[in-house]
Amino acid sequence: KAGVTQTPRYLIKTRGQQVTLSCSPISGHRSVSWYQQTPGQGLQFLFEYFSETQRNKGNFPGRFSGRQFSNSRSEMNVSTLELGDSALYLCASSLGPVGPRDTEAFFGQGTRLTVV
Amino acid sequence: EDKVVQSPLSLVVHEGDTVTLNCSYEVTNFRSLLWYKQEKKAPTFLFMLTSSGIEKKSGRLSSILDKKELFSILNITATQTGDSAVYLCAVGNAGGTSYGKLTFGQGTILTVHP
Repeated sequence: KAGVTQTPRYLIKTRGQQVTLSCSPISGHRSVSWYQQTPGQGLQFLFEYFSETQRNKGNFPGRFSGRQFSNSRSEMNVSTLELGDSALYLCASSLGPVGPRDTEAFFGQGTRLTVV
Repeated sequence: EDKVVQSPLSLVVHEGDTVTLNCSYEVTNFRSLLWYKQEKKAPTFLFMLTSSGIEKKSGRLSSILDKKELFSILNITATQTGDSAVYLCAVGNAGGTSYGKLTFGQGTILTVHP
């Protein structure tokens, strides 16, 4: 069974540009969440999608957005990049609202974004 | 505000030692507590605990949750150099339209020397 696939793995962008990251969840998983990981702040929740709808959003500016497609694949977009957006962006895949296992999440390898 | 606190923040041991990592939490709408191991990139899933007092085991690793006292421990026995990693504790909460937001602790950096 394939795991969570994130593309691209590495990205270098210039301040002011925008970027789109992609995540394909585990087959059969319908919920996708995104996290930002930095040395100073650790892993922080960005947003959660299920059934093409954003279910929850973390404390990030509106420059961070996302969406989910009917096949459960998800993308996140960061516009007007700032140096502080340099981070590892992780996508987590879970089954969705199935009872006690709804929070059992598996992570992709991440996208390392460097803003210069 | 939801909070997850891990201790110690770092730990250095020798192969064969037993270690105990701690995780305490204060979150609304608690659903589960999860442990992950992160070596280079992706956090690798170790355990998910939802019921208090029931130990989960996988080889040399085990974990238990105390929902009354709001904490969990992760034990690693007979440590090996391959256990060197950052161990992350996360609490899953669900409420309203949200099913699976995870709030993470800072992580414990474990270094196992030969």
